[in-house]
Amino acid sequence: QQQVKQSPQSLIVQKGGISIINCAYENTAFDYFPWYQQFPGKGPALLIAIRPDVSEKKEGRFTISFNKSAKQFSLHIMDSQPGDSATYFCAASPTDSWGKLQFGAGTQVVVTP
Amino acid sequence: EPEVTQTPSHQVTQMGQEVILRCVPISNHLYFYWYRQILGQKVEFLVSFYNNEISEKSEIFDDQFSVERPDGSNFTLKIRSTKLEDSAMYFCASSATNQPQHFGDGTRLSIL
Repeated sequence: QQQVKQSPQSLIVQKGGISIINCAYENTAFDYFPWYQQFPGKGPALLIAIRPDVSEKKEGRFTISFNKSAKQFSLHIMDSQPGDSATYFCAASPTDSWGKLQFGAGTQVVVTP
Repeated sequence: EPEVTQTPSHQVTQMGQEVILRCVPISNHLYFYWYRQILGQKVEFLVSFYNNEISEKSEIFDDQFSVERPDGSNFTLKIRSTKLEDSAMYFCASSATNQPQHFGDGTRLSIL
């Protein structure tokens, strides 16, 4: 049972371009949606998170767009930099089980110079 | 910035042996978690722990697994009799109340 579906599996973008990663969820009880960034040999690090009461959240070059009716959310990385090359995971957790994060499969992003 | 610390970074164990993975959560956090990531796959929830007891566990967390907070700073995951399929990266995480989880850099467990 794949509760959070993430796409694409990998992404190559030129420096300065926009990286877009999409996630879809099935469980309507989910109400917390974080994005994690993971570099090789490191643990996931929280990048940005959103709750369904807003449709968009921006922090620096990173923006989450959230569509509650479609049960979809996406991460946009603006002005992508080589240092953004990493694996990105979307995740979700329900109100009554806030700590139980359900992760997507991950997207490997490569930003070329 | 405070961080979650995990030891060892790599553990090699013979199949059938017991293994203990150790974590030092961030000091003022009250909620503790273990996740695992099999090579090339997604991160999977194993167990959450609060107030000295398990809050929730996944179907992966069977009788071979146990968690413990033996003192005020450590949080451990024990696998009693390891199997080949237990080979994975194991991540510890901690959080304050209603705050995001912070992950350690993981322990790579290799079962031979």
